[in-house]
Amino acid sequence: QKEVEQDPGPLSVPEGAIVSLNCTYSNSAFQYFMWYRQYSRKGPELLMYTYSSGNKEDGRFTAQVDKSSKYISLFIRDSQPSDSATYLCVLRSRSQGNLIFGKGTKLSVKP
Amino acid sequence: GAGVSQSPSNKVTEKGKDVELRCDPISGHTALYWYRQSLGQGLEFLIYFQGNSAPDKSGLPSDRFSAERTGGSVSTLTIQRTQQEDSAVYLCASSLQADTQYFGPGTRLTVL
Repeated sequence: QKEVEQDPGPLSVPEGAIVSLNCTYSNSAFQYFMWYRQYSRKGPELLMYTYSSGNKEDGRFTAQVDKSSKYISLFIRDSQPSDSATYLCVLRSRSQGNLIFGKGTKLSVKP
Repeated sequence: GAGVSQSPSNKVTEKGKDVELRCDPISGHTALYWYRQSLGQGLEFLIYFQGNSAPDKSGLPSDRFSAERTGGSVSTLTIQRTQQEDSAVYLCASSLQADTQYFGPGTRLTVL
């Protein structure tokens, strides 16, 4: 079983839709949860960061972590064409310095 | 301010040749990471430098891969005797804190 599973998509939605992106993980040692966004031919950039179960909101973005189910989500409200990118869930354990990346979900928001 | 830069942006080489990829991290960042991103495979961790500590080489796929970080700043990833399966985008990132990594634009390596 892979450490983190993420549906690669592609996911296509109309502008204004609510988007839900999800990952599951297998190792309970993961304590830090991030979402990175990667535009085409660019490096990933940090979008959201959390270390506790529950919700964290930042503008149109909400990150949700359920440690008991080992399930993390990113919600995008009022999606915009500029949100079109690949979204990577990223995890880290307390003892490791390197990040574990999901394969990424490619999102396309159509005007 | 200046971000992470990588060179070259694209590299085409023949199977069996050696290649060197360069990363210039953000000034003052103590940690530097190399990743490989293959089509449909996500980011694969290769190697991690933290300050003056011995690097974490646990992600290097074979002994053909090596990396150096000189003077705690610039890093070079070297791939010897390249193979077609080495074709990928090689990404470098630097950070002050492990979770907030700043990525460069990557080097797209194609091995013919």
